Amino acid sequence: GAGVSQTPSNKVTEKGKYVELRCDPISGHTALYWYRQSLGQGPEFLIYFQGTGAADDSGLPNDRFFAVRPEGSVSTLKIQRTERGDSAVYLCASSSQGGNGYTFGSGTRLTVV
Amino acid sequence: GIQVEQSPPDLILQEGANSTLRCNFSDSVNNLQWFHQNPWGQLINLFYIPSGTKQNGRLSATTVATERYSLLYISSSQTTDSGVYFCAVPPGGYNKLIFGAGTRLAVHP
Repeated sequence: GAGVSQTPSNKVTEKGKYVELRCDPISGHTALYWYRQSLGQGPEFLIYFQGTGAADDSGLPNDRFFAVRPEGSVSTLKIQRTERGDSAVYLCASSSQGGNGYTFGSGTRLTVV
Repeated sequence: GIQVEQSPPDLILQEGANSTLRCNFSDSVNNLQWFHQNPWGQLINLFYIPSGTKQNGRLSATTVATERYSLLYISSSQTTDSGVYFCAVPPGGYNKLIFGAGTRLAVHP
């Protein structure tokens, strides 16, 4: 597509539930990133994919968070047993060369109640 | 890890004014990016600028890598320039970016 697409744009879930957030990167972009942005702060790195593999998952806060990119295109961020502290905007970005010229999606606003 | 500090944290301008935003970083980096986040939350890449100066319309950026800072210049500001400006750098050759806390800019007509 023309840009990075993230769905859903908003997600409200109850504490303890499981959620999946989807990212569809720009066609042909091999690098894909997930970031999390809390109110009033800059984005914080979660995980980086080069192709199908997670090249760097050092930003995932704990084992409740997991992400996949099985075919090297669409990625899904999965959060188990959600907590109120997981509430944030989850941003996805892609680039044609690792680390340069990011294009961000519009984000998914996750609210855990 | 690498620290990224941006100043000022908040800035209010009258339309037509010029401004300079600063980004300091604590370690050597091989690239630096400036982003604008509009009031609707969309992050737009403004510049990829590991060193030197680049210009794009009313915006320009300069990075002095040896002194570990970058400047973003906004000339003849417009209300559409409002939002948050972030700089971001990759730590130690990694592909991920570390973002500063941002400068929140409000341009009034």
